[in-house]
Amino acid sequence: QQPVQSPQAVILREGEDAVINCSSSKALYSVHWYRQKHGEAPVFLMILLKGGEQKGHEKISASFNEKKQQSSLYLTASQLSYSGTYFCGTEIGDSGYSTLTFGKGTMLLVSP
Amino acid sequence: EAQVTQNPRYLITVTGKKLTVTCSQNMNHEYMSWYRQDPGLGLRQIYYSMNVEVTDKGDVPEGYKVSRKEKRNFPLILESPSPNQTSLYFCASRPTLVRDGMSSYNSPLHFGNGTRLTVT
Repeated sequence: QQPVQSPQAVILREGEDAVINCSSSKALYSVHWYRQKHGEAPVFLMILLKGGEQKGHEKISASFNEKKQQSSLYLTASQLSYSGTYFCGTEIGDSGYSTLTFGKGTMLLVSP
Repeated sequence: EAQVTQNPRYLITVTGKKLTVTCSQNMNHEYMSWYRQDPGLGLRQIYYSMNVEVTDKGDVPEGYKVSRKEKRNFPLILESPSPNQTSLYFCASRPTLVRDGMSSYNSPLHFGNGTRLTVT
């Protein structure tokens, strides 16, 4: 079952912050985040495992609330290069030995 | 260079004419998967394979076939393509990790460059 992402789209000015949310109706083992530029393949950003882990990648970080079955991606001081569509992918169950299901994506546009 | 290679990049065909989209990875990954991407619908999984000779349906398998005879290759077959299969297709792979003595797939997906298919 597809995780639900919100918002569907975000428009920012350079330097502003954004939060993208991902929620599931099922218990999650892990959450993946990917970014896709128009016409290109998705590119991996980070994985979060159950346990409330928070990870960072330059000015992009994410959290994972296992109890709420939610993850959030935080983009701070956004840059033009952050523009693209962001997808969360979820693995359900206990073992991590499962397949990855993606949400519908959140389009982010950063303008000068 | 470690990569997932899909061919062709672009394909225009007619309804009912069988076609195969090839996918090959050189990273010795156990897991491979096919996704289709349509506007507003995100990436939807068609089929996946946990290892050689093991394949499973994803969320949208109707009208597609796959095979996994070798570890490196995972072709996607459309026996009788229809216009609703016009889409952008991605193949992806990832390795099995061993954590606490158990296999898991908590590793990033490596995507191919995509195949844009148009069925008229």
